[in-house]
Amino acid sequence: EADIYQTPRYLVIGTGKKITLECSQTMGHDKMYWYQQDPGMELHLIHYSYGVNSTEKGDLSSESTVSRIRTEHFPLTLESARPSHTSQYLCASSDGGAGNYGYTFGSGTRLTVV
Amino acid sequence: GIQVEQSPPDLILQEGANSTLRCNFSDSVNNLQWFHQNPWGQLINLFYIPSGTKQNGRLSATTVATERYSLLYISSSQTTDSGVYFCAVAQGGSEKLVFGKGTKLTVNP
Repeated sequence: EADIYQTPRYLVIGTGKKITLECSQTMGHDKMYWYQQDPGMELHLIHYSYGVNSTEKGDLSSESTVSRIRTEHFPLTLESARPSHTSQYLCASSDGGAGNYGYTFGSGTRLTVV
Repeated sequence: GIQVEQSPPDLILQEGANSTLRCNFSDSVNNLQWFHQNPWGQLINLFYIPSGTKQNGRLSATTVATERYSLLYISSSQTTDSGVYFCAVAQGGSEKLVFGKGTKLTVNP
């Protein structure tokens, strides 16, 4: 069963709208990540957080912003959606406890901006 | 930054066949993971394997860190093994994974 949840699963929205993609995990992991993936392509890191009130931009430039007010919650916001933002957004978390740094991914949000 | 190359890019098998997927990386790493992305887009972590060998059922993985490659073995493949297999690595104290382009596996009945 999933311990990391993303909503919505699919979203079609008009240009210029503000959107927030939700990501929550119940594992108590300190580290959380947002990746962007275009169809048939590899994943690119756009944001990460190593704990509450800690956020950093990833290797791929993104117009989105994130916040980490609670350990379990790591939402991503686009202030003004554009067609170029159409992609799949995947949230992940990792722990590092007992030397296991494996990622757990959510099911993703497929965003289409029309 | 570090480069991650996966081969082959595409692989088509008959059910029951075995396969080996390869991941080469351009620099030393302290974190290497294999993932399976199913046709619905869900990513499942198969192995955390920065070095050594691990096995989980029909799947096993080996990482030779000194030679900068990792192998994923799939035995007695099933149609449910279809999807894209990604290798991802991180360096130093970072846990930020860099992904390869993946190997798309199709298993036919």
